[in-house]
Amino acid sequence: EPEVTQTPSHQVTQMGQEVILRCVPISNHLYFYWYRQILGQKVEFLVSFYNNEISEKSEIFDDQFSVERPDGSNFTLKIRSTKLEDSAMYFCASRLGDRTDTQYFGPGTRLTVL
Amino acid sequence: AQKVTQAQTEISVVEKEDVTLDCVYETRDTTYYLFWYKQPPSGELVFLIRRNSFDEQNEISGRYSWNFQKSTSSFNFTITASQVVDSAVYFCALSEGNQGGKLIFGQGTELSVKP
Repeated sequence: EPEVTQTPSHQVTQMGQEVILRCVPISNHLYFYWYRQILGQKVEFLVSFYNNEISEKSEIFDDQFSVERPDGSNFTLKIRSTKLEDSAMYFCASRLGDRTDTQYFGPGTRLTVL
Repeated sequence: AQKVTQAQTEISVVEKEDVTLDCVYETRDTTYYLFWYKQPPSGELVFLIRRNSFDEQNEISGRYSWNFQKSTSSFNFTITASQVVDSAVYFCALSEGNQGGKLIFGQGTELSVKP
């Protein structure tokens, strides 16, 4: 069964460093998302991406964040200058098409900012 | 504005007990979608069910069942004859029909099933 994959599973970085989290969505899916989950809290929407552009973003998704689909398979989230409060689990999700479709999540990347 | 409330932060039951996880949502849309996801200790988010706002039929899948009531804006989840493997955090989520499909999650309910 096709699945969303994410790398790395765990990333440790120093405050102020740039990180890139990578996702490979399910191959025929058209809509892509990033969510984050601070430890012990709920899952929060960051950004949605469709047709090579951001379709919606949350207040969390400020200028320090960017997303890209550099080729036909990868979908990346970049944090330019990490802060301590960026420490969280980051989930990528993809959806086939219509809004009625289900979003399928990757296993997540745990980001730890020291 | 849209919102999902899971008032039960933690529930602890003994194996074979039935347990119901509550979910109450708020939305101004007439078209919306409701979801339940399971997050086991390993951390991934596992899709369980999707419901659209026009389909109030309850659904049963094995030991799982879902009760959708528009009149009370609730979408509750029942596990019958719980098992230790059901121990996880369960999230209810809402997606509005006129948005790009983003999911608004509740705070989650941590279910602990003891042998």
